Amino acid sequence: LAKTTQPISMDSYEGQEVNITCSHNNIATNDYITWYQQFPSQGPRFIIQGYKTKVTNEVASLFIPADRKSSTLSLPRVSLSDTAVYYCLVENYGGSQGNLIFGKGTKLSVKP
Amino acid sequence: EPEVTQTPSHQVTQMGQEVILRCVPISNHLYFYWYRQILGQKVEFLVSFYNNEISEKSEIFDDQFSVERPDGSNFTLKIRSTKLEDSAMYFCASSDSTGELFFGEGSRLTVL
Repeated sequence: LAKTTQPISMDSYEGQEVNITCSHNNIATNDYITWYQQFPSQGPRFIIQGYKTKVTNEVASLFIPADRKSSTLSLPRVSLSDTAVYYCLVENYGGSQGNLIFGKGTKLSVKP
Repeated sequence: EPEVTQTPSHQVTQMGQEVILRCVPISNHLYFYWYRQILGQKVEFLVSFYNNEISEKSEIFDDQFSVERPDGSNFTLKIRSTKLEDSAMYFCASSDSTGELFFGEGSRLTVL
């Protein structure tokens, strides 16, 4: 499984756009990039998943360059409630089902 | 919105005691999982379950652990003889064929 590297922490202010970049240099052809969010004392929650280029949903956007060795989660106009840990994961479809390898994630702190 | 529910939310037990953590996955999901998170550490995969059998398990999931789907709705994790190092949040998750995992709120296990 491809290893991911992301910043340990980030600070932001309400209303700002936050971009969290994750590197996954050893990503394989069958791998997808998935981001989860975790609030304290809660289970992780799926945010977004992509394979290449750009994916957008009601919560976030995911930018994946052509070489797929990195990805950027973009949170538009964050609020205090977006304070959480954000995990970048690489999942192999056709491989292990649901065996997600969580790293330490990026702890995002949103300040007023 | 359908959700994964877990009971109990918190259990305190003595070392050596048996513990059963219960989960009700989302009703039309076919894949079930247990993860754990020791305080301040990563979310770790324990086991995945599909078609009434374990499909994958991690090194953590040793002979002290077992899973069962005793009826059509519950999915349980049993720890036969708890150790101090079993103290953690245990998260149940379920998914359908698309692979997005839905996590429960977790069960906090404290072993004294």
